[in-house]
Amino acid sequence: GAVVSQHPSRVICKSGTSVKIECRSLDFQATTMFWYRQFPKQSLMLMATSNEGSKATYEQGVEKDKFLINHASLTLSTLTVTSAHPEDSSFYICSASRVSYNEQFFGPGTRLTVL
Amino acid sequence: KQEVTQIPAALSVPEGENLVLNCSFTDSAIYNLQWFRQDPGKGLTSLLLIQSSQREQTSGRLNASLDKSSGRSTLYIAASQPGDSATYLCAVTSYTGANSKLTFGKGITLSVRP
Repeated sequence: GAVVSQHPSRVICKSGTSVKIECRSLDFQATTMFWYRQFPKQSLMLMATSNEGSKATYEQGVEKDKFLINHASLTLSTLTVTSAHPEDSSFYICSASRVSYNEQFFGPGTRLTVL
Repeated sequence: KQEVTQIPAALSVPEGENLVLNCSFTDSAIYNLQWFRQDPGKGLTSLLLIQSSQREQTSGRLNASLDKSSGRSTLYIAASQPGDSATYLCAVTSYTGANSKLTFGKGITLSVRP
């Protein structure tokens, strides 16, 4: 149980385009989903926390208009990187947690490359 | 602000060796601590989770200990194998609830030589 999927697993896009990444909890209802970013040889940095039906809470330094997060249902959250630039190239990982559990379950990650 | 440190950044050992990976954190008021494994280009696999009231957890050849008062945790890997080669991340949760955040260390990249 507690499986989280991400789609796509990797995406290559041109500078200036927008990219949407999906995060799904497959076998449980996720009240909270988290979006992380990881640069090579660096740790995971939390970008934002999203709760179903409400606006995401962004970490300091993360541009809200750049990284749009939607958590429309208890099993789906999306991250849209708007007007992507090469510096947005990174590994994006989502996680999900559920009510009464203090554990996050991680997705397999999405490799974004912006040319 | 909680900070998690893992030193060294990389470690290379011969197959069969028992090894210890270290993790330290600055604020001892944690709810739990977790060890993860990450293979290159992949997501995270949870290895062990230790609640703040616990001293250790074991799973197969892995044993994780927690000394909350000193802000330290160790991951012990017995009889290491080449398949154990990966990056090992330590993370702490500083408060409870579904919105509780994980603070990660930078990880230790382990290479087990055949």
